[in-house]
Amino acid sequence: KQEVTQIPAALSVPEGENLVLNCSFTDSAIYNLQWFRQDPGKGLTSLLLIQSSQREQTSGRLNASLDKSSGRSTLYIAASQPGDSATYLCAASGGSYIPTFGRGTSLIVHP
Amino acid sequence: EPEVTQTPSHQVTQMGQEVILRCVPISNHLYFYWYRQILGQKVEFLVSFYNNEISEKSEIFDDQFSVERPDGSNFTLKIRSTKLEDSAMYFCASRLAEVNEQFFGPGTRLTVL
Repeated sequence: KQEVTQIPAALSVPEGENLVLNCSFTDSAIYNLQWFRQDPGKGLTSLLLIQSSQREQTSGRLNASLDKSSGRSTLYIAASQPGDSATYLCAASGGSYIPTFGRGTSLIVHP
Repeated sequence: EPEVTQTPSHQVTQMGQEVILRCVPISNHLYFYWYRQILGQKVEFLVSFYNNEISEKSEIFDDQFSVERPDGSNFTLKIRSTKLEDSAMYFCASRLAEVNEQFFGPGTRLTVL
């Protein structure tokens, strides 16, 4: 059974820092990995989707990498801003394409 | 930009009552999903739906739950007899194909008293 772990659970940084959020998964036989953003009491906003054949995806200040063999993905946020404050979730999808979610990293970027 | 919508945003019900949560997926999407998130916990998969039938379901999705796509646009989740532990955020999601990203709705907060 797939298990997804996200480290750290919480992070508080000053504005402008570059950040790395980590996601690890126990079963490397995944088809894709998706990163989401969740604001308090809200739904999930898709940030990046990495297919199993890809190594990374980029969108604006966000870059996500995938290393299937080691069961890891990282989300890199460049030049963080207070508006980036949210919980970041990763979800790994295996053979049935059903995602298994991590608990998330709660990020606070203070001015 | 197309988006997944859900109604109501908040539903309060008495234990034992039936509730129906509604979703309108993105119009050209083919795969539909329901998830729940109990406060402070992980997002959990409930059920997937494709070609007018359930394709996968989790152990959470027992006989008290059912899904339906009654009219080609709405996708509903019914809980027949709600329990206190059904209190959670319920998210609907859709995707064009299995290899594509999932798009989530804003959720329905269900409170069972």
